[in-house]
Amino acid sequence: KNQVEQSPQSLIILEGKNCTLQCNYTVSPFSNLRWYKQDTGRGPVSLTIMTFSENTKSNGRYTATLDADTKQSSLHITASQLSDSASYICVVSAADYKLSFGAGTTVTVRA
Amino acid sequence: EADIYQTPRYLVIGTGKKITLECSQTMGHDKMYWYQQDPGMELHLIHYSYGVNSTEKGDLSSESTVSRIRTEHFPLTLESARPSHTSQYLCASSDGLAGGGQFFGPGTRLTVL
Repeated sequence: KNQVEQSPQSLIILEGKNCTLQCNYTVSPFSNLRWYKQDTGRGPVSLTIMTFSENTKSNGRYTATLDADTKQSSLHITASQLSDSASYICVVSAADYKLSFGAGTTVTVRA
Repeated sequence: EADIYQTPRYLVIGTGKKITLECSQTMGHDKMYWYQQDPGMELHLIHYSYGVNSTEKGDLSSESTVSRIRTEHFPLTLESARPSHTSQYLCASSDGLAGGGQFFGPGTRLTVL
């Protein structure tokens, strides 16, 4: 069973609308959690990184939250743009630097 | 400019051919990784290296091999490609420090006919 579960698997939103992606993990001991954006046919690009003591981190229109007690994270996209269409991957790092990858959420933004 | 490069970006070959996927980074990172990713699926670690002359197998069994003769270069080789090797291969590097992230290359999409 994957130690990082993401939901939804995919979603479609209209341009200008907001959306929230979820990531639940069981990785322990926890070191940090990253959200990556992966455009089709490209490598992932880091959006945010949060350690145990951080519960929110923003990068432009992207805001990530972390609840280390419940082992949940979310990525909120504000005022979506067509260029936000991509796969968003949650990656959790254990204390030994071993990474666990979620399967990703595919976001499609339509005009 | 510091970056991580992969070549070729796309490769279509016949069964039985030997291929090498190239990966180079200019960031001076000690740690480098190869991942395999099927469409819509999560990344799976197939090889990693913590420095020159260091190579280890990852979580996903792979028939490929890697070498690390220079810090900046981490090529992946398939001695005899098969259709089951069709996938996207992503190379990444990191400085290995706590809180540091992995930087990914653009990937190589391999199709074996």
